[in-house]
Amino acid sequence: QSVLTQPPSASGTPGQRVTISCSGSSSNIGSNTVNWYQQLPGTAPKLLIHSNDQRPSGVPDRFSGSKSGTSDSLAISGLQSEDEADYYCAAWDDSLNGWVFGGGTKLTVL
Amino acid sequence: EVQLVESGGDLVQPGGSLRLSCAASEFTFNNYNMNWVRQAPGKGLEWVSYISASSSTIYYADSVKGRFTISRDNAQNSLYLQINSLRAEDTAVYYCARVLGNILTGNNWFDPWGQGTLVTVSS
Repeated sequence: QSVLTQPPSASGTPGQRVTISCSGSSSNIGSNTVNWYQQLPGTAPKLLIHSNDQRPSGVPDRFSGSKSGTSDSLAISGLQSEDEADYYCAAWDDSLNGWVFGGGTKLTVL
Repeated sequence: EVQLVESGGDLVQPGGSLRLSCAASEFTFNNYNMNWVRQAPGKGLEWVSYISASSSTIYYADSVKGRFTISRDNAQNSLYLQINSLRAEDTAVYYCARVLGNILTGNNWFDPWGQGTLVTVSS
């Protein structure tokens, strides 16, 4: 049981916009910033969004993050086949003195 | 290119020990905090342990506290994870990751990640 809650799966067709939610509590998302990681099949995780809504260099602007209270969401617009991957949210947790992850969302491009 | 390369994963019997290493290159290792994160087969990511740049601050997940020890050698640009009293549930790919941002403000993130090293605990 993950501390942060994500839907286990999401899907969309090429060109569509999909969103993935991440729900936490006051000790993690409510008081710290949220990051998103993309894990392509058979590879290591890669930073996708940091500080709630910041894209590292090289990440397309089709990816965006937004936070509200104790929840966050990742939006992917103009869905492409290469976006098919697992997506994880993460944040520092003040109560646990460590980082917590969501359980991951498997995105399928139909 | 900033790179992290893990090694040391192996097949180990329950109760056994292992030392994982993470070699860093192309950045000033002694300026950065570091983490270990693991992923059990077919499962999600789980943070394991954190060490500050000077080794003055160390944190562990409750699931590994007392059995795992994180350390680093800044002269060798290397991060380590000593894992003892291994259990079947410790079977996972172990990733090292550099910590960016400010841990004191809660605004921090992991980038990059290494390719991981597989630890399998089985008799």
